[in-house]
Amino acid sequence: GAVVSQHPSRVICKSGTSVKIECRSLDFQATTMFWYRQFPKQSLMLMATSNEGSKATYEQGVEKDKFLINHASLTLSTLTVTSAHPEDSSFYICSARDQSSGANVLTFGAGSRLTVL
Amino acid sequence: AQTVTQSQPEMSVQEAETVTLSCTYDTSESDYYLFWYKQPPSRQMILVIRQEAYKQQNATENRFSVNFQKAAKSFSLKISDSQLGDAAMYFCAYKFSNTGNQFYFGTGTSLTVIP
Repeated sequence: GAVVSQHPSRVICKSGTSVKIECRSLDFQATTMFWYRQFPKQSLMLMATSNEGSKATYEQGVEKDKFLINHASLTLSTLTVTSAHPEDSSFYICSARDQSSGANVLTFGAGSRLTVL
Repeated sequence: AQTVTQSQPEMSVQEAETVTLSCTYDTSESDYYLFWYKQPPSRQMILVIRQEAYKQQNATENRFSVNFQKAAKSFSLKISDSQLGDAAMYFCAYKFSNTGNQFYFGTGTSLTVIP
């Protein structure tokens, strides 16, 4: 089945620095990937939709200059948290849909826990 | 707007027993998909089961089955013969079949399995 790899699984950074999280579809091409943020014991909040070869679509209230998304290839999307602050500490999850299979199923990465000191 | 409601923040079940998790949704569409995802302590989201709205037959996957009531906009998950490994957060999700790729998630139900 479809597999999505997300890296790193955990990252700790100092306030003011930038952190990049990678999301790869391993055995399928994904023209669209999704980035979610999840606070402890809460649901997934869609941050943005990453579109291969074009600009990402951000949800209302999500700062596009803060959360930079690049989808340079059909198998890779990256989320960069710029000038990170403690309030950016969270669990970030990417997902993708294998559209070629015709299945309306989202496959998720294992998530990345960001801690900003 | 599409919304997904899970009214049970927490549930518990005795090992080997059966538990039902509730989910209701609001939509004006007739063609859509419904899902249950499981998020264990590892935080990896795993698809448990899915249902196409046009299918009247309830989906089943081994010990997992759904009770899909389209008119009532209800989509409950039944876990039979509960196992310790079933302990997780369960999210109900909705996707409109023809609108982009957006999935709408409920707030989740935390399931505890008691040995």
